[in-house]
Amino acid sequence: GENVEQHPSTLSVQEGDSAVIKCTYSDSASNYFPWYKQELGKRPQLIIDIRSNVGEKKDQRIAVTLNKTAKHFSLHITETQPEDSAVYFCAASGMDGDDKIIFGKGTRLHILP
Amino acid sequence: DAEITQSPRHKITETGRQVTLACHQTWNHNNMFWYRQDLGHGLRLIHYSYGVHDTNKGEVSDGYSVSRSNTEDLPLTLESAASSQTSVYFCASSERRMNTEAFFGQGTRLTVV
Repeated sequence: GENVEQHPSTLSVQEGDSAVIKCTYSDSASNYFPWYKQELGKRPQLIIDIRSNVGEKKDQRIAVTLNKTAKHFSLHITETQPEDSAVYFCAASGMDGDDKIIFGKGTRLHILP
Repeated sequence: DAEITQSPRHKITETGRQVTLACHQTWNHNNMFWYRQDLGHGLRLIHYSYGVHDTNKGEVSDGYSVSRSNTEDLPLTLESAASSQTSVYFCASSERRMNTEAFFGQGTRLTVV
């Protein structure tokens, strides 16, 4: 089955700097790659997603890139702010026409003042 | 507004007891998922359903069962609770075969003593 690896597990960046989280997936049939943000004590919520026919997608300060050949995708957050502190999960879906979503283990992002 | 709700929010039970966690969504989504969240493991898929009377095993299904008798509900049952099942459980739903956003419930914190 699909396996999603996520790195790093913890990331600390100075406020205003950029943060990058990287993920790899194993099943070449996966075609949908969402990213979720989970604030402390809250439920995960979608922040951005990308489909396999697109190489990059941006939404204000966040962007996601996808390299299907290498089977890896990344989340980029620019001009980080205190409210970006959270746990971020990458995920893969759509393998074999299946809708189940397989998540990475998460990255805890700390924004330092 | 459409929503997805879990109950109870917190539960303490004893080893060996049967426990059922409820999940109810008003999105009219065909897809429903159960995940458990543990430190260092991220979100792991327990069971999922693509419609009424459809259920499928996920990555960590041993000791759990689900049934889908209508579109709105997917209860998760722990047949005989074990301390290893102490965790935070999240239910989620999404549209069928659309590779779109999954909406999560608030989570249920289960402690098995």
